[in-house]
Amino acid sequence: EAGVVQSPRYKIIEKKQPVAFWCNPISGHNTLYWYRQNLGQGPELLIRYENEEAVDDSQLPKDRFSAERLKGVDSTLKIQPAELGDSAVYLCASSLAGGNQPQHFGDGTRLSIL
Amino acid sequence: AQSVSQHNHHVILSEAASLELGCNYSYGGTVNLFWYVQYPGQHLQLLLKYFSGDPLVKGIKGFEAEFIKSKFSFNLRKPSVQWSDTAEYFCAVNHNNNDMRFGAGTRLTVKP
Repeated sequence: EAGVVQSPRYKIIEKKQPVAFWCNPISGHNTLYWYRQNLGQGPELLIRYENEEAVDDSQLPKDRFSAERLKGVDSTLKIQPAELGDSAVYLCASSLAGGNQPQHFGDGTRLSIL
Repeated sequence: AQSVSQHNHHVILSEAASLELGCNYSYGGTVNLFWYVQYPGQHLQLLLKYFSGDPLVKGIKGFEAEFIKSKFSFNLRKPSVQWSDTAEYFCAVNHNNNDMRFGAGTRLTVKP
């Protein structure tokens, strides 16, 4: 099966600029996650979708971050404006519904803010 | 605060040595437990998982993990590591079928 596809792989922008990441989950996976991974740390959940509904966005900095999953398939994560501290790897994952289901991860987008 | 703790930041072993990576969590209630591995230049992959039944679970590539409920632990083991096991290993806990948290990861370097 095709895996989780993310683009772009790398993004370099200046602070205060906007940036967007795209994710295409595994076909049939209703649950989609966005994580942020800082250097030397594990992934931290930003938002979780069940189909098109955001069911957990408690860790999403809503003043500058937004996400959408139209039609319950692809998803985009946006930062506007970006700050220096946003430099990280942004990971997308998908799974079947249920807490015992393993998550399948994409390769991530490495964001560098100048 | 509730958390997932991995005791070792970096472990260095020689080939054929035995491996044990520690993972402790502080959640009560229902937990589903996972170990993920990230090989250099690759994405995170599932190594093994536990959600019920036999607390000793076997995963891919000869890895196993034991869930000890009384110790809130889910340590990862392998009897004899290979150079190809060099990677970063993440413990993850899904709490009450809802809230997924990852540990900070343990970097394993296996010397040939």
